Amino acid sequence: GENVEQHPSTLSVQEGDSAVIKCTYSDSASNYFPWYKQELGKRPQLIIDIRSNVGEKKDQRIAVTLNKTAKHFSLHITETQPEDSAVYFCAASKASDSWGKLQFGAGTQVVVTP
Amino acid sequence: DGGITQSPKYLFRKEGQNVTLSCEQNLNHDAMYWYRQDPGQGLRLIYYSQIVNDFQKGDIAEGYSVSREKKESFPLTVTSAQKNPTAFYLCASSKTSLGGYEQYFGPGTRLTVT
Repeated sequence: GENVEQHPSTLSVQEGDSAVIKCTYSDSASNYFPWYKQELGKRPQLIIDIRSNVGEKKDQRIAVTLNKTAKHFSLHITETQPEDSAVYFCAASKASDSWGKLQFGAGTQVVVTP
Repeated sequence: DGGITQSPKYLFRKEGQNVTLSCEQNLNHDAMYWYRQDPGQGLRLIYYSQIVNDFQKGDIAEGYSVSREKKESFPLTVTSAQKNPTAFYLCASSKTSLGGYEQYFGPGTRLTVT
């Protein structure tokens, strides 16, 4: 089955700096890669996703890049703000999983210090 | 608040008792999921259901049971056979289509068994 590894497990950044979280996946058939943000005590929410026919996607201060050859994808947050502090999860799924099953990484605790 | 609800928010039970967690969605999603979240371990899939009256075991199904009698509802029973049931439980739902779709999460139920 699919295995998703996520690094680092914790990330501390100064406000205004950039943050990068990396994930690797094992199944070359995976083709959908979402990122979720979970604030303390809240539910996970999708912040950005990418499909395998695209190498990069941006949405304001966040971007995701995908390297299918190396089987890894990364989340980039620029100009970090205190409200970016949260746990971020990457995930992967395959086209053959028509009901959308996701395999999640273990999460990255991001702390943005003023 | 997202169209998917879980109740109760906090649940306390004595060891040896079965307990049922509720999950309801009004998003007209076919697929529903149950995850368990422990610190540092991300989201682990317990059970999932693609359609009414059908469900499949996830990665950690032992000690849990589910039913899917209605499209809107996917209750999870934590049985006395679950060795370490204290955790945060998240329900999610999604559309079903090739390639994966965003999963919408409920607010979660924090179960404490003593």
